[in-house]
Amino acid sequence: AQSVSQHNHHVILSEAASLELGCNYSYGGTVNLFWYVQYPGQHLQLLLKYFSGDPLVKGIKGFEAEFIKSKFSFNLRKPSVQWSDTAEYFCAVTRSGGYQKVTFGTGTKLQVIP
Amino acid sequence: EAGVTQFPSHSVIEKGQTVTLRCDPISGHDNLYWYRRVMGKEIKFLLHFVKESKQDESGMPNNRFLAERTGGTYSTLKVQPAELEDSGVYFCASSQDGMGSGYTFGSGTRLTVV
Repeated sequence: AQSVSQHNHHVILSEAASLELGCNYSYGGTVNLFWYVQYPGQHLQLLLKYFSGDPLVKGIKGFEAEFIKSKFSFNLRKPSVQWSDTAEYFCAVTRSGGYQKVTFGTGTKLQVIP
Repeated sequence: EAGVTQFPSHSVIEKGQTVTLRCDPISGHDNLYWYRRVMGKEIKFLLHFVKESKQDESGMPNNRFLAERTGGTYSTLKVQPAELEDSGVYFCASSQDGMGSGYTFGSGTRLTVV
């Protein structure tokens, strides 16, 4: 079975700082990778996804993630965070091909200080 | 388009009582999923409906949990009798294509068993 590790449980940054959240997964086959975000009081929503092709994926609100197959990693980045990026971020994976249930990481709480 | 709606948003019950959570998916979405997040841990898959049929219920923790989706529309998740370890946030999601990228999540039901 696949699993996802998010190494940072709580990150505090000042506005304009750069962000990188780590995500590693374990599964030997082909995977689809996702980052979801949950803003305070809101539902989970998709930030970006990787299925195939260019390993550098751009998502909404200036976020991007890079799939490095050799490292089983899919780290999330943003060059300059804003206070409105305060949220909880979840890395997730499914196996490729047809329906597959989503396996989530434990989440990283990001707090951006104005 | 209306999103995925979950009722109630919060529920506090005593150990041994019964609680029923409800999820109304996006109209026309055949795939409906239940996930659960226990405090501080990862979001874990519980089960998946395709229309009214259970496609995958491998994540259901035990037989105190019963999920139904009568008529392939809304779904209920009943916990009977509730135990302390059932506390957590129960998420519902729906999708058209069964893939993780197409998920729309509800805001969740926070269940506290005391």
